[in-house]
Parts: sequence; C-alpha cells; structure tokens
Amino acid sequence: KQEVTQIPAALSVPEGENLVLNCSFTDSAIYNLQWFRQDPGKGLTSLLLIQSSQREQTSGRLNASLDKSSGRSTLYIAASQPGDSATYLCAVYSGGGADGLTFGKGTHLIIQP
Amino acid sequence: SAVISQKPSRDICQRGTSLTIQCQVDSQVTMMFWYRQQPGQSLTLIATANQGSEATYESGFVIDKFPISRPNLTFSTLTVSNMSPEDSSIYLCTYRVNTEAFFGQGTRLTVV
Repeated sequence: KQEVTQIPAALSVPEGENLVLNCSFTDSAIYNLQWFRQDPGKGLTSLLLIQSSQREQTSGRLNASLDKSSGRSTLYIAASQPGDSATYLCAVYSGGGADGLTFGKGTHLIIQP
Repeated sequence: SAVISQKPSRDICQRGTSLTIQCQVDSQVTMMFWYRQQPGQSLTLIATANQGSEATYESGFVIDKFPISRPNLTFSTLTVSNMSPEDSSIYLCTYRVNTEAFFGQGTRLTVV
C-alpha cells in the first residue's frame, strides 16, 4: 500500500527566503506526482505535475523535482512571499484503486512579512 | 482542463439534517471522485461517481450516509445524511484529465 510522507509538517520563515518542502513515497511504481496548494478551508489548486519519466518541473518561483527510484520529491520555493502562506500537499498517482491518488498530510507554510 | 465549480463553499448545519453538495464541470468527464478532509488530516476518497451506474464506495463509507448522484457527464452531487459533528470536514470533488487531477473549491461543512 502506497504511503506518502511530507516533512516538515509546519514551517515558518521570513519573507524573501528560499525554502524546500519534502515529500517521500514508499512505492516507486507511480505514474506521476502532483504538488497542490490549499488555502484554509478551501479546495486544492494544482501547482506542478511531474510525470514519472521527468526529473523536474518549473512554474515561476516554484520548482519541483522527482527522484522516483528513491521515492522522493522536493518543492523549492524561491524568494518566498507572504502570499505563499498555505498548506502544500503532495500526491502520487499509482493507477491502482478507484482513484489511484495517495496524499500526504501536507506542510503548513507561514511566510512572515 | 475543464473548469470545476462546487457549491456551497461552506455551510453550518444542525445535527440530524442533510446537506447536498453540487459539483459542475464545464466539459464532459467520465469519472468524478468525492473526497473528505477531516480537520488536520489528509484527503480520503469517499467514492467514485460514474455516469449511468451506482457510485463505488471506499471502505468505511456507505451509500445510506453519503448518497451520490451522477445524472450526466458534467454534474454530480454528494449528500451528507443525518449529520453529526464528526461529519465536520471539507468535502471536495475532483476529476482527472489523463493522469492529472483537478479539484473543486471545496465545501467546508460544520455540524453543530
């Protein structure tokens, strides 16, 4: 059974810092990995999707990497801003089961102005 | 990707009542999924909603408590029945395009 772990559970940093969020998964047989952002009490916004054949994806100040063989992904946020404050969720798509998506519990990020 | 709209965005309900959550997609999708996110927890799949057939429920979720409708390829509803405070959660609908998942805005439900 796939398990996804996100470290740290919470992070608070001053504005302007670069930071890294970590995601690990136990079964490397995945089709892709997605990073989502969730604002309090809201739904999920897809940030980046990395296919299993890819090593990284970039969107603006965000860069996500994937090392499938070691079961790890990182989300790098450059020059953090207070508007980046949210919970960041990692999900792997393994294709099994009804939906095939397994989520981590997320990293709650606070960017201090 | 299709646009997915979910409503209500939030509600406060009395215990023992029911709430129906609607999810509308602006193009046809084969499967839609309903998730629950309890406070401080990650997302848990409730069921898969297929057009033209009954929903498929995950372990721990039953049709009497969470009836689902899927009348066409652009619309689905989830009802939370006979609510108790333990049902206070965020409920989300989602669909997939190829292997990428897209989510609605979520319904934040508080049962008092």
